[in-house]
Amino acid sequence: GAVVSQHPSRVICKSGTSVKIECRSLDFQATTMFWYRQFPKQSLMLMATSNEGSKATYEQGVEKDKFLINHASLTLSTLTVTSAHPEDSSFYICSARDDRDYQETQYFGPGTRLLVL
Amino acid sequence: DQQVKQNSPSLSVQEGRISILNCDYTNSMFDYFLWYKKYPAEGPTFLISISSIKDKNEDGRFTVFLNKSAKHLSLHIVPSQPGDSAVYFCAASDRRGAQKLVFGQGTRLTINP
Repeated sequence: GAVVSQHPSRVICKSGTSVKIECRSLDFQATTMFWYRQFPKQSLMLMATSNEGSKATYEQGVEKDKFLINHASLTLSTLTVTSAHPEDSSFYICSARDDRDYQETQYFGPGTRLLVL
Repeated sequence: DQQVKQNSPSLSVQEGRISILNCDYTNSMFDYFLWYKKYPAEGPTFLISISSIKDKNEDGRFTVFLNKSAKHLSLHIVPSQPGDSAVYFCAASDRRGAQKLVFGQGTRLTINP
């Protein structure tokens, strides 16, 4: 149980284009999902908390107009990197909390490697 | 301000011996702690967690110890196996507050045959 998928696993795009990354909880419902990014040899940095049916909460320094988050259902959250630039190249990882888990453990997806040329 | 710290960037242990990974935190509001294992280019895999009301939690070869007075937790893996080689992250959460996970910098564990 507690499987989270991400799509795509890897994407290469041209500077100025937008990229959408999907995060799905496969066998549980998740009212709350999280988006992280990880730079090489660094820790995971939380970008935003995604709540089904309401606006995402962004961490300080994260541009909400650049990183659009939509949590349209209890099993799907999407992150859209708008007008991507080379400095947005990173490893993006989502996580989800099982609504039934009172401990609120986060389960992570496999990540999406974004390379902006 | 690094609220969760893993001061050892790397650790090398012989197969069959015990691996001990350490983690310190500064925020006394943290009440839930987790350990994740991560391979390159993959998402973290949940290993084990502990609530602040406990001082020990065990799951197979993995045991997590929590010392609240010292604001310190550790992960023990025994016996260590080659497949345990990965980066291990500790994380902490304040479930009564922001409920966000704060991660340490990670420790790369290498198990030598």
